[in-house]
Amino acid sequence: EAGVTQFPSHSVIEKGQTVTLRCDPISGHDNLYWYRRVMGKEIKFLLHFVKESKQDESGMPNNRFLAERTGGTYSTLKVQPAELEDSGVYFCASSQETGDTQYFGPGTRLTVL
Amino acid sequence: DQQVKQNSPSLSVQEGRISILNCDYTNSMFDYFLWYKKYPAEGPTFLISISSIKDKNEDGRFTVFLNKSAKHLSLHIVPSQPGDSAVYFCAASDISGGSNYKLTFGKGTLLTVNP
Repeated sequence: EAGVTQFPSHSVIEKGQTVTLRCDPISGHDNLYWYRRVMGKEIKFLLHFVKESKQDESGMPNNRFLAERTGGTYSTLKVQPAELEDSGVYFCASSQETGDTQYFGPGTRLTVL
Repeated sequence: DQQVKQNSPSLSVQEGRISILNCDYTNSMFDYFLWYKKYPAEGPTFLISISSIKDKNEDGRFTVFLNKSAKHLSLHIVPSQPGDSAVYFCAASDISGGSNYKLTFGKGTLLTVNP
């Protein structure tokens, strides 16, 4: 069984540009989560999808971040326009049932210059 | 305001000995706790979990202990192996809350197991 995959693994962009991160959850997992780890800090929750619906987006930093999960399969996280403080590693996780163990992808390292 | 704290940024132990990683939490609503292991350039890998109705859960060399009154949990690895060298994250969530399944993480402890 394939695990959670994320693309790209690294992204380096200039301040003001747009970046889109993609997450493919484990097949059959209805729950998909986005987390972020800024350097030196803890991994922090961004939002939670159940199928295509946003269940909890309380961790989204501001309206420059837009997450979608059309069709309830893969998810994208767009940052537009990117700022320096958006640099960090963005992790995606999925679980079969809400409340089940969350399995993480390898992360996307975003560097904003 | 950090709700999950791992006060030891690093820990070094000898192969074959016991590794004890500690975690404290402040939110009394947390009722499910997990430990994840993370190697460089990889995502966190689930290791073991414990529900607040238990005080101990064991899986092979890994045992998690929960002390609810002290709001403290610990992960014991016995015997420690060089391959256990990684960053260990403690995480907590409020499962019974109904809709709040997000994980709250500590900052992690870097475990180094020396051969």
